[in-house]
Amino acid sequence: AQTVTQSQPEMSVQEAETVTLSCTYDTSESNYYLFWYKQPPSRQMILVIRQEAYKQQNATENRFSVNFQKAAKSFSLKISDSQLGDTAMYFCAFIRGSGGSNYKLTFGKGTLLTVNP
Amino acid sequence: SAVISQKPSRDICQRGTSLTIQCQVDSQVTMMFWYRQQPGQSLTLIATANQGSEATYESGFVIDKFPISRPNLTFSTLTVSNMSPEDSSIYLCSVAGQKLNEQFFGPGTRLTVL
Repeated sequence: AQTVTQSQPEMSVQEAETVTLSCTYDTSESNYYLFWYKQPPSRQMILVIRQEAYKQQNATENRFSVNFQKAAKSFSLKISDSQLGDTAMYFCAFIRGSGGSNYKLTFGKGTLLTVNP
Repeated sequence: SAVISQKPSRDICQRGTSLTIQCQVDSQVTMMFWYRQQPGQSLTLIATANQGSEATYESGFVIDKFPISRPNLTFSTLTVSNMSPEDSSIYLCSVAGQKLNEQFFGPGTRLTVL
């Protein structure tokens, strides 16, 4: 079974600064995908960024980037130039790659990020 | 990505009653899922909604408690049956299109059981 661990229940950052959220995972799979989802107070789950395990290059989406360390099973999210609208709960998630019929997302417990003005 | 809507957005229900939650997508999707998010917790998969056949339930979830329908490629319902206060949660549907490993979520239904 897969597990996803987010060791930082809460973090805060000043507006315009950079913050990094940590995530580690455990799996015996060789083919998988990792995601960061954002859940603001509106409770809508928003997909922030996706990383395929077979890709060595770290994914980037505008101000959001990841540091994917496959051997260490680490998948951190860096938010640059933090904005007030980034305030949300951030969930790290894992899913198995193709070849199986189980497309279950396994989530970490989340990190509550507060961006202060 | 697809536009996903859920009805109702929130409800307050009495113990022992049932509530059906609807999930509608504006385009055909390959897979639909139902997740539960208990207060202050992460998301847990309840089941995969299969079109035209019985849903596939995760360990700890049973059809009698959470019957699911998926009559077509754009619509699914989740019923929470014989509710108790422990069922108070946010229930979210998610969908996957051609990229089966990438899921997008609806806005969620906040359920409170008294």
